Amino acid sequence: GAVVSQHPSWVICKSGTSVKIECRSLDFQATTMFWYRQFPKQSLMLMATSNEGSKATYEQGVEKDKFLINHASLTLSTLTVTSAHPEDSSFYICSAILSGIKRKTDTQYFGPGTRLTVL
Amino acid sequence: AQKITQTQPGMFVQEKEAVTLDCTYDTSDQSYGLFWYKQPSSGEMIFLIYQGSYDEQNATEGRYSLNFQKARKSANLVISASQLGDSAMYFCAMREGGPGGYQKVTFGIGTKLQVIP
Repeated sequence: GAVVSQHPSWVICKSGTSVKIECRSLDFQATTMFWYRQFPKQSLMLMATSNEGSKATYEQGVEKDKFLINHASLTLSTLTVTSAHPEDSSFYICSAILSGIKRKTDTQYFGPGTRLTVL
Repeated sequence: AQKITQTQPGMFVQEKEAVTLDCTYDTSDQSYGLFWYKQPSSGEMIFLIYQGSYDEQNATEGRYSLNFQKARKSANLVISASQLGDSAMYFCAMREGGPGGYQKVTFGIGTKLQVIP
């Protein structure tokens, strides 16, 4: 069964508004979560690494003021797309590392993704 | 240079046949991990199989096996007895460095597999 959830699964918003996407780890604690974006027919591009209790680490070229990440608890990370524009329309997907019994592999488990459309 | 290379943009396989999806990687790290994920049309990334660089045996998970050839830096995914539900995008990915610490994973561009009845 799914170990990571995302909400909402899809969202349509007007240009200039802000959108918040939640990523939750289910039944396990995730000190580290990752945010990716995926354009149609392309691969996943890492946007940032979200660390519980500290600032996120952003990849080169990702605007930290536009894509706000908050990892307030061990089970929740949020991505807020501020002042969204049509070019921000994409599929946003988060992942978390399942530690404990899976510690050896540190496999990333992904949420179902959020499809954002900015009009 | 690309860290993960998947040279097959699309593949067809007959139902119940086996299929191999290619993946080569590039790293100078001695410790690394290789992953395969499946992404159906719904968009969710589903973890399939993992191979550690120090694992001596090829990883297997049910119908999935990873043909790990370290010297060639290849990590091909083999799906046996293909099913219609296997139709999806398949991504090869690599984590450089050992478990723990910063866990950045790089993904290939994917291979679209279509299983034909």
